Amino acid sequence: QKEVEQDPGPLSVPEGAIVSLNCTYSNSAFQYFMWYRQYSRKGPELLMYTYSSGNKEDGRFTAQVDKSSKYISLFIRDSQPSDSATYLCAMITGANNLFFGTGTRLTIIP
Amino acid sequence: DAGITQSPRHKVTETGTPVTLRCHQTENHRYMYWYRQDPGHGLRLIHYSYGVKDTDKGEVSDGYSVSRSKTEDFLLTLESATSSQTSVYFCAIRGISNEQFFGPGTRLTVL
Repeated sequence: QKEVEQDPGPLSVPEGAIVSLNCTYSNSAFQYFMWYRQYSRKGPELLMYTYSSGNKEDGRFTAQVDKSSKYISLFIRDSQPSDSATYLCAMITGANNLFFGTGTRLTIIP
Repeated sequence: DAGITQSPRHKVTETGTPVTLRCHQTENHRYMYWYRQDPGHGLRLIHYSYGVKDTDKGEVSDGYSVSRSKTEDFLLTLESATSSQTSVYFCAIRGISNEQFFGPGTRLTVL
């Protein structure tokens, strides 16, 4: 079993829809949770970072962490074509290694 | 962009040749990382460094070596490249809250 599981998609939604991206994990020692956005042929870009259960909002993006269920989510409101990218979840213990999901490829259809 | 550059950005080489990739950062970060990204596997850690001359192995370190003689530079070397090392390689630095910031990547093809 992988440390972090993420549905690879692809996921296609119409412009303006709410997008929900999810990851599950098995290691209860994970303390910090991140979402990265990666455009084609570019490096991953840090989108959201949180270290506790609950919600964190930044503009159209909301990151949600449920440590009891070992489940994290990223919600995108009012989705735009520019949101089309691959979204990677990542998590880390207090030590060094960052564990990534395999990424979900998202396409927003105008 | 966290002041990270990678060179070269693209490279094609032949099996058995040595290859060195360079990561350069301008913000004096202590921790630096090398990852490879492959379809179906996501990002996997190769090696990381926690200071000048201080390095350690990651998940997929076989066939790779690293060196860090200056804070700003972290080199990844493939001593004898193989086709299985065809991949996209990313360098990253660690921020003050344990988050990581990535460079633009190097696309390596081993024929």
